Amino acid sequence: DVKVTQSSRYLVKRTGEKVFLECVQDMDHENMFWYRQDPGLGLRLIYFSYDVKMKEKGDIPEGYSVSREKKERFSLILESASTNQTSMYLCASSSGTPSLGDTQYFGPGTRLTVL
Amino acid sequence: ELKVEQNPLFLSMQEGKNYTIYCNYSTTSDRLYWYRQDPGKSLESLFVLLSNGAVKQEGRLMASLDTKARLSTLHITAAVHDLSATYFCAVDIGLDSNYQLIWGAGTKLIIKP
Repeated sequence: DVKVTQSSRYLVKRTGEKVFLECVQDMDHENMFWYRQDPGLGLRLIYFSYDVKMKEKGDIPEGYSVSREKKERFSLILESASTNQTSMYLCASSSGTPSLGDTQYFGPGTRLTVL
Repeated sequence: ELKVEQNPLFLSMQEGKNYTIYCNYSTTSDRLYWYRQDPGKSLESLFVLLSNGAVKQEGRLMASLDTKARLSTLHITAAVHDLSATYFCAVDIGLDSNYQLIWGAGTKLIIKP
């Protein structure tokens, strides 16, 4: 079974702090994704990566950066946390073959609260 | 603007009843995914629909895709309490080398005994 793990389930930070969220997958997947989930808005893509050291902006990249130094690990960084970044953050990975039905596998999520 | 609209956003129904959740999208695509999310948990994949007319069934759930109408449906037959969850559809709008999913807002389904 594919396993995607995230470094924390719950996190509380103060405004202005630098926040690191880490995601690790164990299936040698090419693609990794960071989403935020807010009630009534579905999932919104922040960044994704299709290879080591490669990244692409999603729909809402402002205020975030990412790092993918190793294939299995994809980090989301909030350079200076703000209260409007309070949300559920979901990491996902996929094998990278959309023509065959490229299911994304999700981690358990990190609920971040910024005070 | 790229949009994926789910209807309804909230559904409360009795056990044993049938119902359909609709997913409309605004751009050309022939790849659509359905996911389920239980309260406090992450998303898990339900169905992958890869062509016009595709139909997939798992237990009491059946999903279909009409790419000409830009519509997918998730039909629930004889609902049971265990199907209570939030259901998301997601449309793949990208190219093979750089695809991207656009997500619906989710349909929260509550099935009462």
